[in-house]
Amino acid sequence: AQSVTQLDSHVSVSEGTPVLLRCNYSSSYSPSLFWYVQHPNKGLQLLLKYTSAATLVKGINGFEAEFKKSETSFHLTKPSAHMSDAAEYFCVVSLRVGLNTGFQKLVFGTGTRLLVSP
Amino acid sequence: ETGVTQSPTHLIKTRGQQVTLRCSSQSGHNTVSWYQQALGQGPQFIFQYYREEENGRGNFPPRFSGLQFPNYSSELNVNALELDDSALYLCASSSDRTGAYEQYFGPGTRLTVT
Repeated sequence: AQSVTQLDSHVSVSEGTPVLLRCNYSSSYSPSLFWYVQHPNKGLQLLLKYTSAATLVKGINGFEAEFKKSETSFHLTKPSAHMSDAAEYFCVVSLRVGLNTGFQKLVFGTGTRLLVSP
Repeated sequence: ETGVTQSPTHLIKTRGQQVTLRCSSQSGHNTVSWYQQALGQGPQFIFQYYREEENGRGNFPPRFSGLQFPNYSSELNVNALELDDSALYLCASSSDRTGAYEQYFGPGTRLTVT
């Protein structure tokens, strides 16, 4: 079964320093992977997605992630953290619903809370 | 382009009562999925609706039910509310034409059961 594991429940960085949020996946075939961000008391926003095209995926707000099949990883990075990046980040894999590949459900990791200090 | 909207924003119910949550999908999307996010956890898939029928279901009991209407909007109904049903309920819309790989979420409804 496909799943994702987020390796850190909390990550603390200083403003202006790099961000690394780690995610490993488990899949018997090439997965579709996503990173979503959730700011306090807000819904989920899609940061970026990997769907078997380029392995280095660029997203919004300067975030990017690299799909590494050999390491079964999909870590999220950003060169320089901003105070507004403080939020909960979810690594997500999609699974087929029913027999039609056109229908997918999202399976979320447990989340990583990013704290950014001045 | 109108995004996904949900109502109400907050709701307080008593154990044993019934609740209905509403979701309007994003323009051009014909598939709606519902997720439950308990405090401190990631969202869990409840079910998905397409063409007014349930297309798939997660590990939730039958007292969780839903509807989808011809305009693709959707309702989530929960009967016999339990304290553990307290959570943020998220609706996500997508399109079968794009493979539903991108799901766009609404802001959620915060349900508190006392």
